Amino acid sequence: AQTVTQSQPEMSVQEAETVTLSCTYDTSESNYYLFWYKQPPSRQMILVIRQEAYKQQNATENRFSVNFQKAAKSFSLKISDSQLGDTAMYFCAFMKGRETSGSRLTFGEGTQLTVNP
Amino acid sequence: DAGVTQSPTHLIKTRGQQVTLRCSPKSGHDTVSWYQQALGQGPQFIFQYYEEEERQRGNFPDRFSGHQFPNYSSELNVNALLLGDSALYLCASSLDRRGGGGMGYTFGSGTRLTVV
Repeated sequence: AQTVTQSQPEMSVQEAETVTLSCTYDTSESNYYLFWYKQPPSRQMILVIRQEAYKQQNATENRFSVNFQKAAKSFSLKISDSQLGDTAMYFCAFMKGRETSGSRLTFGEGTQLTVNP
Repeated sequence: DAGVTQSPTHLIKTRGQQVTLRCSPKSGHDTVSWYQQALGQGPQFIFQYYEEEERQRGNFPDRFSGHQFPNYSSELNVNALLLGDSALYLCASSLDRRGGGGMGYTFGSGTRLTVV
């Protein structure tokens, strides 16, 4: 079974600064995907960024980037130029690749990020 | 383009009752998954439906059941409600023709269920 661990229950950052959220995972799979999701007070889970395990290049999406260390099973999220709208709960998630029986997301416990003005 | 819609947004039920939650997937998506998110925790996978069949199931009792209709919409049913079933129930849809994931999901805003 896969496990995802987020060791930072809460974090805060000043507007316009950079913050890094940590995530580690445990799996015996070689083909998988990793995600960061954002859940604002509206409750909808929004995909922030996605990484394919077989790609060595770290994914980036505008102000969001990841540091994917496959050997260390680490997948951190860096948010640059933080904005007030980034305030939300952030979840790291794991998915096996190419399962014929279906796919599921395994989530961590989340990190509450607060961006202060 | 409508995203994933869930109904109702909130409901309160009494212990022992039964509840049905509904989900309409994003246009073009054919796979629906359900997750339970207890307060302050990450979502837990309940089950996934594809081609009107339950394709995968998480560690939830048989009190949790579901259905997918030909138009890909889905229902989650919970029987004999317990206080511990109080949670946010999230529906997520995806395009999953290859039988595998990887493209991520589109989530709805959830149904907040309170059992008293």
